[in-house]
Amino acid sequence: AQSVSQHNHHVILSEAASLELGCNYSYGGTVNLFWYVQYPGQHLQLLLKYFSGDPLVKGIKGFEAEFIKSKFSFNLRKPSVQWSDTAEYFCAVMIYNQGGKLIFGQGTELSVKP
Amino acid sequence: DTAVSQTPKYLVTQMGNDKSIKCEQNLGHDTMYWYKQDSKKFLKIMFSYNNKELIINETVPNRFSPKSPDKAHLNLHINSLELGDSAVYFCASSQERTGDTGELFFGEGSRLTVL
Repeated sequence: AQSVSQHNHHVILSEAASLELGCNYSYGGTVNLFWYVQYPGQHLQLLLKYFSGDPLVKGIKGFEAEFIKSKFSFNLRKPSVQWSDTAEYFCAVMIYNQGGKLIFGQGTELSVKP
Repeated sequence: DTAVSQTPKYLVTQMGNDKSIKCEQNLGHDTMYWYKQDSKKFLKIMFSYNNKELIINETVPNRFSPKSPDKAHLNLHINSLELGDSAVYFCASSQERTGDTGELFFGEGSRLTVL
């Protein structure tokens, strides 16, 4: 069965630290990849997405992610986090031509200490 | 203006009751979805509709019935509520029918608690 695995459930960092959140998926065919963020009390928002082309994609607020097809991974990175990055981060995979169904990971809670 | 809005945001009810959650999007999108987020924060798709036509129907008990009166609305009706139905339900919409090239826009979620 198709699945998405996020390595960390809860990450605690100090401001200015670098961030990398792991995401792996299990599916051998064509996929679209997403990272969504949910700030406290808000709805899920798209952080960045990968459909094709350059495997290094840049999103909002200084986030980027790299698609490594051979590793079935789509890790999220940010060189220097801020307190305002405190949120829940969800990796998601869309299997091509399956009606827009997103398969989500279980989320990673990021807490940034000022 | 909120792009995808859900009501109510919080719903507390007794087992056995019937309840509905409403969703409206003002983005002009053709496709709408319902996702369920369980206590472990897993988000799982339940249904999707494209222009009032059911596209995705995951393995969901038939106590759950989506209703789409028009393409801007997708309501979720739940009969005979059970404890395990307690969750946060998210509505979402996307522009294309397949959603393969577009992102999903989510509502703020409706937290259902069944006592």
